[in-house]
Amino acid sequence: AQKVTQAQTEISVVEKEDVTLDCVYETRDTTYYLFWYKQPPSGELVFLIRRNSFDEQNEISGRYSWNFQKSTSSFNFTITASQVVDSAVYFCALRVWNSGYALNFGKGTSLLVTP
Amino acid sequence: SAVISQKPSRDICQRGTSLTIQCQVDSQVTMMFWYRQQPGQSLTLIATANQGSEATYESGFVIDKFPISRPNLTFSTLTVSNMSPEDSSIYLCSVVGAENTEAFFGQGTRLTVV
Repeated sequence: AQKVTQAQTEISVVEKEDVTLDCVYETRDTTYYLFWYKQPPSGELVFLIRRNSFDEQNEISGRYSWNFQKSTSSFNFTITASQVVDSAVYFCALRVWNSGYALNFGKGTSLLVTP
Repeated sequence: SAVISQKPSRDICQRGTSLTIQCQVDSQVTMMFWYRQQPGQSLTLIATANQGSEATYESGFVIDKFPISRPNLTFSTLTVSNMSPEDSSIYLCSVVGAENTEAFFGQGTRLTVV
């Protein structure tokens, strides 16, 4: 069975602080994809990143960076110099290659960035 | 990326009635899914909408309650039948991109049952 755990339910930071959102996953499969999505108050899900299990390179996109470590089954997401517009719920998700294309989502982390 | 339009964006419905949610994609896609997000919760997969055949439902979801249609490769509907307040949720349509990797989501339908 596959499982995604986001232990942080809510995080509150002041603007310009760095913040890391944790994601731990469980799967016995060797081929899988990991995702992060952002859900602002308007409700839509915005795709942020996809990582496959064979690519452990960390990625940086502007103020966003992701740290994928297979040894600890973690795929953490860091926002540098946070801004108020970063306030949203962030979901980590897992898709296993041989289990179709549907996603297993974590419970989400609600991030509040205050001025 | 695929552009997904969902209608309606929100609705308030009386218990015992049914609501049909539409999902339109701007390109042909193989895989379409329907998810439910109950208040303050994560997303749960309801079913996979299969073109030309019955939808494939996840455990806990049945066709009588959530009938799904998929008449072609760009359109699907989800009906929430005989609604109760427990059905109050955001319902999201999702498609897998052309490279069968990313999943893209519609803006969701925020349903309140009173």
